[in-house]
Amino acid sequence: QKEVEQDPGPLSVPEGAIVSLNCTYSNSAFQYFMWYRQYSRKGPELLMYTYSSGNKEDGRFTAQVDKSSKYISLFIRDSQPSDSATYLCALGMDSSYKLIFGSGTRLLVRP
Amino acid sequence: GAVVSQHPSWVICKSGTSVKIECRSLDFQATTMFWYRQFPKQSLMLMATSNEGSKATYEQGVEKDKFLINHASLTLSTLTVTSAHPEDSSFYICSAGTRETQYFGPGTRLLVL
Repeated sequence: QKEVEQDPGPLSVPEGAIVSLNCTYSNSAFQYFMWYRQYSRKGPELLMYTYSSGNKEDGRFTAQVDKSSKYISLFIRDSQPSDSATYLCALGMDSSYKLIFGSGTRLLVRP
Repeated sequence: GAVVSQHPSWVICKSGTSVKIECRSLDFQATTMFWYRQFPKQSLMLMATSNEGSKATYEQGVEKDKFLINHASLTLSTLTVTSAHPEDSSFYICSAGTRETQYFGPGTRLLVL
């Protein structure tokens, strides 16, 4: 079993839709939770980070963490074609600087 | 957010030559940097952890004599692909930051002919 599971997609939605991206993990030692967006042939861009259960909002993006269920989500409201990219969840722990990445979900927002 | 740069952004070389890729943290000091490799439509694969002033820590299966890492200062780490072969062609990305947040460079695309 992988440490972090993420549906690879692709996920295709119409413009304006609410998008839900998810990751599950198995190790309760993970304490830091990040979401990255990666456009084709570019480095990942940090979108959101959090280290506690609950919701964190930034503009159209909301990161949600449920440590009891070992489940994290990224919601995108009013999705735009420019949101079309691969979204990667990344998890870290206190004992190491290393991040464990999900496989990435490819999102396509149709105009 | 913090800025991490990489140079070059792309490189084409002949088989058997060595290629050096630089990773710089532009507005913060990084005692630890990471080097990743990414194949098309796949996720990031951690190659090694670069530590300022000490030897790099390589992930299992990564040849340390093949991928030389030097963390010369708090803002610069270099990855040298020695005697490159076509199977080394890939997208190489570095990152730097803290435990809570890691910032990535724009990546270097290597094509070995």
